[in-house]
Amino acid sequence: DAGVIQSPRHEVTEMGQEVTLRCKPISGHDYLFWYRQTMMRGLELLIYFNNNVPIDDSGMPEDRFSAKMPNASFSTLKIQPSEPRDSAVYFCASSLVVDHEQFFGPGTRLTVL
Amino acid sequence: ILNVEQSPQSLHVQEGDSTNFTCSFPSSNFYALHWYRWETAKSPEALFVMTLNGDEKKKGRISATLNTKEGYSYLYIKGSQPEDSATYLCAFTAGNMLTFGGGTRLMVKP
Repeated sequence: DAGVIQSPRHEVTEMGQEVTLRCKPISGHDYLFWYRQTMMRGLELLIYFNNNVPIDDSGMPEDRFSAKMPNASFSTLKIQPSEPRDSAVYFCASSLVVDHEQFFGPGTRLTVL
Repeated sequence: ILNVEQSPQSLHVQEGDSTNFTCSFPSSNFYALHWYRWETAKSPEALFVMTLNGDEKKKGRISATLNTKEGYSYLYIKGSQPEDSATYLCAFTAGNMLTFGGGTRLMVKP
């Protein structure tokens, strides 16, 4: 398996634009997690899915953020409209069950100008 | 919000030194405690997942212990090497909540 795949690896956009981050979890993993990493707040859990269903989205910062998982092999994290304070590295991770080790993707470095 | 604390925040050691750091977490509703190793410009990599009080796990020169009753876990590195330089994160799961600590940044000088 290629591991968790994220795209794009880098995204530079202007304030107000819509940004869509993509993630393909490891095949067979039932849990998918979206994280945001910033210098100020460290690694924060934004939302996670079990069998494509959002379980806990309490970490999603605002209504501008939304996440979907239309099928077991694909998830998106969308920011609309984007703001400069959204600049961060966004990681996707997957695991077999919620309390097993998570496998992280390479991250998407987002810069909002 | 679950409070997961790691100490120290950063640590400088010489090559060959052994070192340890701490993860503190709430002792109620415990499910699992994870340790991750996170090198700069890379993704976090799982080291251990521990679920039972008294668990001890080992991977090479790195080992970890777990005390769920008092709410702490120790990570030990024996004979630190420069390639051990990284941030070590712990994460606590309780129910549906997953919370990471702030990490301990380890720098090993040759």
